[in-house]
Amino acid sequence: EAQVTQNPRYLITVTGKKLTVTCSQNMNHEYMSWYRQDPGLGLRQIYYSMNVEVTDKGDVPEGYKVSRKEKRNFPLILESPSPNQTSLYFCASSPLGTTQDNEQFFGPGTRLTVL
Amino acid sequence: QQQVKQSPQSLIVQKGGISIINCAYENTAFDYFPWYQQFPGKGPALLIAIRPDVSEKKEGRFTISFNKSAKQFSLHIMDSQPGDSATYFCAASMLGGANNLFFGTGTRLTVIP
Repeated sequence: EAQVTQNPRYLITVTGKKLTVTCSQNMNHEYMSWYRQDPGLGLRQIYYSMNVEVTDKGDVPEGYKVSRKEKRNFPLILESPSPNQTSLYFCASSPLGTTQDNEQFFGPGTRLTVL
Repeated sequence: QQQVKQSPQSLIVQKGGISIINCAYENTAFDYFPWYQQFPGKGPALLIAIRPDVSEKKEGRFTISFNKSAKQFSLHIMDSQPGDSATYFCAASMLGGANNLFFGTGTRLTVIP
């Protein structure tokens, strides 16, 4: 089954304790992206990647890191989480081509609480 | 700065009624406008999308209306059903924009029986 998986689905942590949220896709997509979803703010892009070893900042990159060592994986790293990073996080992937109709496929989400 | 403005924030519609969600944008470089549907506990999923070379696109009960001169687009859900209750996000992207989507703030739709 074609899908984007994220782990963990739920995470409660404390301020300053480094954490990683994993994202993996099995569709051989070049493009992957991380979003955070907050009430009243919609989905805001954190980082994206157009291929292996190619990453770039989105709209809200502060406090986050990413890496893209393999095509299928795109982990999100919070080196020193703070309470304002409490949010619902989504990973997404899509093929990268010249057409515009590149549907983004979203993972199930990771609900993170930073105390 | 929100590049795509969406309204209303929430919407309650009777079963069988028409649900209308509106979005507006400023960046004239945008040329792809998808709508995503999100059910509770799930990730968003593409519902329907339009390019600016047409003014309307219909798929079943879902229709996008696009007004290029006004830089506005809207989603119409005809014969709304309780199963349509979800959060809807409009979005926009630009050709050559690395697939990056700029999302609206979302509309929570509730269809009451």
